[in-house]
Amino acid sequence: GAVVSQHPSWVICKSGTSVKIECRSLDFQATTMFWYRQFPKQSLMLMATSNEGSKATYEQGVEKDKFLINHASLTLSTLTVTSAHPEDSSFYICSANLLAGVGYEQYFGPGTRLTVT
Amino acid sequence: AQSVTQLGSHVSVSEGALVLLRCNYSSSVPPYLFWYVQYPNQGLQLLLKYTSAATLVKGINGFEAEFKKSETSFHLTKPSAHMSDAAEYFCAVSVNDYKLSFGAGTTVTVRA
Repeated sequence: GAVVSQHPSWVICKSGTSVKIECRSLDFQATTMFWYRQFPKQSLMLMATSNEGSKATYEQGVEKDKFLINHASLTLSTLTVTSAHPEDSSFYICSANLLAGVGYEQYFGPGTRLTVT
Repeated sequence: AQSVTQLGSHVSVSEGALVLLRCNYSSSVPPYLFWYVQYPNQGLQLLLKYTSAATLVKGINGFEAEFKKSETSFHLTKPSAHMSDAAEYFCAVSVNDYKLSFGAGTTVTVRA
């Protein structure tokens, strides 16, 4: 159980275009999902917290107009990278919160590799 | 704010040898602590978590970690390394807001 999927797994787009990444919790409902960005050989950087039915909460330094997050249902959150540029190339990972025993656990998707040319 | 520090960005062990990955945390309130593993080009998989129920936590794949409040540590160990343990390992901490703060990660290589 507790499976999170992401689509697509990799995408190449041209500079100036927009790309949408989907994150789905397959076998549980998640009121809260998270979006991370990971550069090669580095740790995960939290970009934003996505709450179902409300606006996302962005971390300091993350452009909310560039990284649009929508959490329209209890099993789906989307991240849209608008007007992508080569510096947006990265590995994007989502996670979904699940109450498990004492406290929450985050279950991670397999990630999406974005390359902007 | 809470944070974790992973000591050693790279650990190399022989197959069958002890694996020890170090993590120290900083938190003003009792934390939840986690260890995750990441294989190349994949997401993160939870190895184990500490939630104050027991100081010695057993996880998947033969890993365990011990919470030591006096040392603010949560080191991860496995008695006998296997080739499949080669991966990136992340220690993470969270408190009441459920957000995770990750350490920088430790790359484990296993020598045959």
